[in-house]
Amino acid sequence: GIQVEQSPPDLILQEGANSTLRCNFSDSVNNLQWFHQNPWGQLINLFYIPSGTKQNGRLSATTVATERYSLLYISSSQTTDSGVYFCAVTRRSGANSKLTFGKGITLSVRP
Amino acid sequence: DVKVTQSSRYLVKRTGEKVFLECVQDMDHENMFWYRQDPGLGLRLIYFSYDVKMKEKGDIPEGYSVSREKKERFSLILESASTNQTSMYLCASSLLGAEAFFGQGTRLTVV
Repeated sequence: GIQVEQSPPDLILQEGANSTLRCNFSDSVNNLQWFHQNPWGQLINLFYIPSGTKQNGRLSATTVATERYSLLYISSSQTTDSGVYFCAVTRRSGANSKLTFGKGITLSVRP
Repeated sequence: DVKVTQSSRYLVKRTGEKVFLECVQDMDHENMFWYRQDPGLGLRLIYFSYDVKMKEKGDIPEGYSVSREKKERFSLILESASTNQTSMYLCASSLLGAEAFFGQGTRLTVV
């Protein structure tokens, strides 16, 4: 099956710093999503971005499908950005559209 | 807004019990999924369904079954709960090939 690798596995930032989280995938995809897992365990949708660039406030994401990677940018980080960030993809085949997840990136933002 | 609701946030069950985890979505999505999340292992797909009464095994179906009698409801069944099924269970739904949305998660402890 498709492999999804996220890096770095852990990231510690000082409040106000910027960061880039990376997601590499091993095959063509027709769906890529970024999620933030809140302290209670729920996965919050950040971006649905199979290709191109999107921005939402301090967060933005870019997916280069031809080169099989996606980047999540966090600017002016805040302590509330702490948590685990997941990238998940759907392979470009079949109608069943199951999401395959990376292992996640644990972000800690220190005040 | 899409809403995916899991029946319980926290659940404690005894070894050998039959356990039902329920998930309901309100957006007429074809796809529904059950994942479990464990430290160091990320999110792993247990089962998914792409239509009523249709189901497919994911990566770790052993010890689980599912039921989808109505489009909006997808149930995960632990036939005989064991301690190694203690985990966080996450339900999701999506249209075919489109953005997936998750419920709040169920933390199941089997004692």
